[in-house]
Amino acid sequence: SAVISQKPSRDICQRGTSLTIQCQVDSQVTMMFWYRQQPGQSLTLIATANQGSEATYESGFVIDKFPISRPNLTFSTLTVSNMSPEDSSIYLCSVAGTGISYNEQFFGPGTRLTVL
Amino acid sequence: KNQVEQSPQSLIILEGKNCTLQCNYTVSPFSNLRWYKQDTGRGPVSLTIMTFSENTKSNGRYTATLDADTKQSSLHITASQLSDSASYICVVSATSSNTGKLIFGQGTTLQVKP
Repeated sequence: SAVISQKPSRDICQRGTSLTIQCQVDSQVTMMFWYRQQPGQSLTLIATANQGSEATYESGFVIDKFPISRPNLTFSTLTVSNMSPEDSSIYLCSVAGTGISYNEQFFGPGTRLTVL
Repeated sequence: KNQVEQSPQSLIILEGKNCTLQCNYTVSPFSNLRWYKQDTGRGPVSLTIMTFSENTKSNGRYTATLDADTKQSSLHITASQLSDSASYICVVSATSSNTGKLIFGQGTTLQVKP
């Protein structure tokens, strides 16, 4: 399995500011994803982080609001820009394509974001 | 429309008892079905993953079943423990490759009481 860490684990931010969330994996992975989990809801895929190129965004999510970087096979960042209270959610990094567990998808511990 | 529906929405049981969670899906094409456990404030952790040809898979006290004909799955928890208190999420993958195109159920919140 893959060990995934996220920073920060939680944050409280003011409206209009931006927050960058980091995701670090302990091994090289093929796929990295970013999800959002709003209060009481299940997970929604924001985008696939592509190494060395622009992320692939799902319907309803745009690069200006959620810029993503993936400089190598073990690290990615998600920025939540110009935040509003509606952005209060848990943001999760996920990885797949790790060696023998190729069909598995592993999730990080999440970043709990509260926007005031 | 691809959907995954879980029942019940929430469940309270006494420690030591068994319980069964249900998952119905209308995802097509179907690649595999996964059950995840999500503790409060944590990311989901995989319990089982089953492909079309697998009817049952166990992971300790957790046993998942899959009926691909009726598009139903269940997760049975035996001899529940307080640490089983969590949200259990049924997830279906519509593709064989890892594209992140997972369809998530809303989850069943299980509370195990002493």
